[in-house]
Amino acid sequence: SQKIEQNSEALNIQEGKTATLTCNYTNYSPAYLQWYRQDPGRGPVFLLLIRENEKEKRKERLKVTFDTTLKQSLFHITASQPADSATYLCALGSGGYNKLIFGAGTRLAVHP
Amino acid sequence: GAGVSQSPSNKVTEKGKDVELRCDPISGHTALYWYRQSLGQGLEFLIYFQGNSAPDKSGLPSDRFSAERTGGSVSTLTIQRTQQEDSAVYLCASSLGQANEKLFFGSGTQLSVL
Repeated sequence: SQKIEQNSEALNIQEGKTATLTCNYTNYSPAYLQWYRQDPGRGPVFLLLIRENEKEKRKERLKVTFDTTLKQSLFHITASQPADSATYLCALGSGGYNKLIFGAGTRLAVHP
Repeated sequence: GAGVSQSPSNKVTEKGKDVELRCDPISGHTALYWYRQSLGQGLEFLIYFQGNSAPDKSGLPSDRFSAERTGGSVSTLTIQRTQQEDSAVYLCASSLGQANEKLFFGSGTQLSVL
C-alpha cells in the first residue's frame, strides 16, 4: 500500500540555522508533491508545490527538492526563526483532482 | 467569508449519538474535501465533492459516515451511531477544482466521543 514517512521525532534547531525536513514515500508515483504548515488547533496551510519533472523549487526562505528516483523530498527553511516553529506536512498527488495523501508531519521547534 | 469555515469547532458527544459537522468553503470553489486527522497521524482522506456530486467517497470508513453538499457550497458530514474510534479532528478543504492545485483548509472540528 502507499506509504509516506516523515520523521516522527521533533526537529530542534537554533535560530538562524537551516532546518531540513525529509519526506519519503513508497508504492506511489506522484505527479506532484506539496508541503503544508500546520499550527496547533489550525488547519494546514499550503506552502509549496513541486511537480515530478521539477528538481527544486524556491520561495523566499523555503526550498523544496523532489527526487523521484530516491522517492524523496527535502524541505529546507534557511535562516530559521522561532516563528517557523510548527508541524510540516508533505502530501502527494497524482493528477486529476487533489486527492492528496498526507504524511503524519514533522514538528519543528526553532529556539532563540 | 475569506476562508473555509467549519462548525462547530468542538463537539463532545456520547457513544451511539449522531453528529453533524458543517463546512462552508471559499466562495467560488467547486471542489470540496473532507479529511480526518487522528492524534499523531497523517490526514486521512474521506470524500471529495465536485459541485454537488461526490465522485470519490472511497475514504469513508463505514456506512455510518455520509456527506452531502448543496448548492455547490455548504457541505455536511454526518456520523451516525458514533463510536469512540470516531474521535478525531475533521478537516474540510476547498479549491478551485483544477488539477495540481493547493487546498485551503478550515480549522477543523474536534470530535470527542465519550
